[in-house]
Amino acid sequence: AQTVTQSQPEMSVQEAETVTLSCTYDTSESDYYLFWYKQPPSRQMILVIRQEAYKQQNATENRFSVNFQKAAKSFSLKISDSQLGDAAMYFCAYRPKRDDKIIFGKGTRLHILP
Amino acid sequence: DVKVTQSSRYLVKRTGEKVFLECVQDMDHENMFWYRQDPGLGLRLIYFSYDVKMKEKGDIPEGYSVSREKKERFSLILESASTNQTSMYLCASSIASGTHHTEAFFGQGTRLTVV
Repeated sequence: AQTVTQSQPEMSVQEAETVTLSCTYDTSESDYYLFWYKQPPSRQMILVIRQEAYKQQNATENRFSVNFQKAAKSFSLKISDSQLGDAAMYFCAYRPKRDDKIIFGKGTRLHILP
Repeated sequence: DVKVTQSSRYLVKRTGEKVFLECVQDMDHENMFWYRQDPGLGLRLIYFSYDVKMKEKGDIPEGYSVSREKKERFSLILESASTNQTSMYLCASSIASGTHHTEAFFGQGTRLTVV
């Protein structure tokens, strides 16, 4: 079965510091997509960053970057220069290329300490 | 921008009532999803629809049904609401696989309380 595991239910980071959120997944597929979604308190879920399994280069979006280790089935999210607005629930998600269903992890709640 | 709109932000229903949660997307997406979000359990897929009148069961379909009569609208139905269906319900849509646009876009969520 395809699963996504986020082992850190909650994390805290000081404002302006860097934090890394962990995600591992289990799949027998070779071609797939990985995502990090952000859900701010009482607000809509939005996409933070996306990685295609066949691309070796790690995706980057401004202060957000990933460390994609395909062999280890690991997909961590690094947030640099953390800001108060980064406080949210973060979900790691997986989608095989041949399928349209997206599988989510249980989420990591990130607190930003002023 | 893609817009996914859920008809209610908050709902309170009584046990045994038939409940309809409505979702509309405006980007002509083929796929639509209903997820349930509970603390510590993340998002769990209830039902998925890949075309009008087409549907697939997700991981937790028991107690739910869906309807997709038009491409832009996907309804989640609780035939007889129970207290264990108190939860946050998220609707999402996406383009069919085979394109570069792979992610799902979400509505704002409906927090349903069954009393």
